[in-house]
Amino acid sequence: EIVLTQSPGTLSLSPGERATLSCRASQSVSSSYLAWYQQKPGQAPRLLIYGASSRATGIPDRFSGSGSGTDFTLTISRLEPEDFAVYYCQQYGSSPPIFGQGTRLEIK
Amino acid sequence: QVQLVQSGAEVKKPGASVKVSCKASGYTFTSYGISWVRQAPGQGLEWMGWISAYNGNTNYAQKLQGRVTMTTDTSTSTAYMELRSLRSDDTAVYYCARAPYYDFWSGRVGYFDYWGQGTLVTVSS
Repeated sequence: EIVLTQSPGTLSLSPGERATLSCRASQSVSSSYLAWYQQKPGQAPRLLIYGASSRATGIPDRFSGSGSGTDFTLTISRLEPEDFAVYYCQQYGSSPPIFGQGTRLEIK
Repeated sequence: QVQLVQSGAEVKKPGASVKVSCKASGYTFTSYGISWVRQAPGQGLEWMGWISAYNGNTNYAQKLQGRVTMTTDTSTSTAYMELRSLRSDDTAVYYCARAPYYDFWSGRVGYFDYWGQGTLVTVSS
């Protein structure tokens, strides 16, 4: 079973800054089958990115995903106040689908 | 618009069972699968299993085999998840999520594009 390790655990930034979140897999993720989700307190997760770099429907273009193999990155180019949340990566290149432990993005 | 609306919060005693519903609208129910994902308080996300809304085929997480059953009712576009022999560590928010992709050869479940609002299940004596 693949293990996903997200870093950092918490990221403190200010609105307008650039955020870079990392997701590292214990073994190669087949065909870049990696997704990213955003979760705000008391809400369900929301799909942001699938296939490592494809934005989901309605996701602003300040969100971008990149990477392949074992190293993946979610970048938020200019943080808006509503972007402060917890972010999870998920691999679906092998069964079962596994989530990372999350990165909390907080306002500095 | 795609919506998944789940049933309300439940409080159960250890050893009991719980059945959570997830009513879908805004898309052709039988064209997609449904997965269930749970989140213990303050913790991350754990995939529980998948069901095809087309033919009822299932794929459960190994750790829940024998305790979980997922079903669908195509006449009402509703998916159900039943968890038996509840323990305190089953206390969590349970989410249903639409799964647009499933590989029948490998049993590989894809990503989850729409989610229900979540159902809190509390297991306490």
